[in-house]
Amino acid sequence: ETGVTQSPTHLIKTRGQQVTLRCSSQSGHNTVSWYQQALGQGPQFIFQYYREEENGRGNFPPRFSGLQFPNYSSELNVNALELDDSALYLCASSLDGGQGGDTQYFGPGTRLTVL
Amino acid sequence: EDQVTQSPEALRLQEGESSSLNCSYTVSGLRGLFWYRQDPGKGPEFLFTLYSAGEEKEKERLKATLTKKESFLHITAPKPEDSATYLCAVQDPSGNTPLVFGKGTRLSVIA
Repeated sequence: ETGVTQSPTHLIKTRGQQVTLRCSSQSGHNTVSWYQQALGQGPQFIFQYYREEENGRGNFPPRFSGLQFPNYSSELNVNALELDDSALYLCASSLDGGQGGDTQYFGPGTRLTVL
Repeated sequence: EDQVTQSPEALRLQEGESSSLNCSYTVSGLRGLFWYRQDPGKGPEFLFTLYSAGEEKEKERLKATLTKKESFLHITAPKPEDSATYLCAVQDPSGNTPLVFGKGTRLSVIA
């Protein structure tokens, strides 16, 4: 069974640039959730995708957008990067599709630094 | 308004010194409470899911319990390799299924 993978591992960008982060879900999972984790904080929910549709969104501005592909892998895009976007970005996959109660399994994360 | 509060923020134990971490939550209609372990710079590693008050789960030196308003993660005779941040999360009952996390407890176990 293949776990959740994310790429790249680390990324350095400058303010105003755009970035794309990628996630491959665990084998057999159809739901991907993205979280942002600032240093010393718990992860904060960005949005979730279920079968290629957005299935919920946290309190993040529209410059955070995403996609899910037919193989259930996903991308997180962030436009007009700000210094506060520097964080660990986590992807989690699950099999609930919004039904609740199902465990989310996390990838290793992408460390984004905005200068 | 914080929905999940973890205490203490940091805990330092001697090897073999048992203790408990606390996670209190204010959401009603809990769909699930989750414990994760996170090593520095890495993604959270799943430990336990609890669904109803009175439920208990164990794994090696860890035991998680759940009441109507809080959960405890008991660590029995910890070893240095148990050092990590332990995160608690609840599933939002509002209709979507994001996890709402606490800030975590940083555990250090000294040999």
